[in-house]
Amino acid sequence: AQSVTQLDSHVSVSEGTPVLLRCNYSSSYSPSLFWYVQHPNKGLQLLLKYTSAATLVKGINGFEAEFKKSETSFHLTKPSAHMSDAAEYFCVVSEGNTDKLIFGTGTRLQVFP
Amino acid sequence: EPEVTQTPSHQVTQMGQEVILRCVPISNHLYFYWYRQILGQKVEFLVSFYNNEISEKSEIFDDQFSVERPDGSNFTLKIRSTKLEDSAMYFCASEGNYPANEQFFGPGTRLTVL
Repeated sequence: AQSVTQLDSHVSVSEGTPVLLRCNYSSSYSPSLFWYVQHPNKGLQLLLKYTSAATLVKGINGFEAEFKKSETSFHLTKPSAHMSDAAEYFCVVSEGNTDKLIFGTGTRLQVFP
Repeated sequence: EPEVTQTPSHQVTQMGQEVILRCVPISNHLYFYWYRQILGQKVEFLVSFYNNEISEKSEIFDDQFSVERPDGSNFTLKIRSTKLEDSAMYFCASEGNYPANEQFFGPGTRLTVL
């Protein structure tokens, strides 16, 4: 069965410092992996996706993630945090034979000035 | 930019009452989904819908739930007899053929069952 584990429920960084949000996945088949972001009172917005093309995926707002099959990881990074990055981030997996998305528990990112 | 919309943003109901949550997907999308998030828990898949029928549903989606696309624009989730444990944020999502494999989410409806 497919699943994702987000290793940190909360991450706090200072503005201008790097961001690392960790995600490990479990999947029986070739997974598609996603990161979604949710700002307060807003819908879930797709940041980036991996679907078996390049292992380093670039997304919106300067975020990127690297698919590492040997480590079953798909960590989200950003070189320099901005105040507007403060939000809830979800790592998500789906498998080729289904469209349903399986969500992680989320990581709340706080950015301090 | 086109977006998925949901109404109402917050619905309060009494246990045992029927509720209908409404979604307007992006206009040329063909695949539709409902998810829910109970407070403090994961976002969970409920049901997917394509070509006017359910294509997949989770164990949560029992006989008290139903979905419908009554016209060309709306996609609804009905809960026939609400229970306290149905209190959650309900998200609608839609997906088109391009870009493939990208679900666009609405802002959610917060359902509170008293």
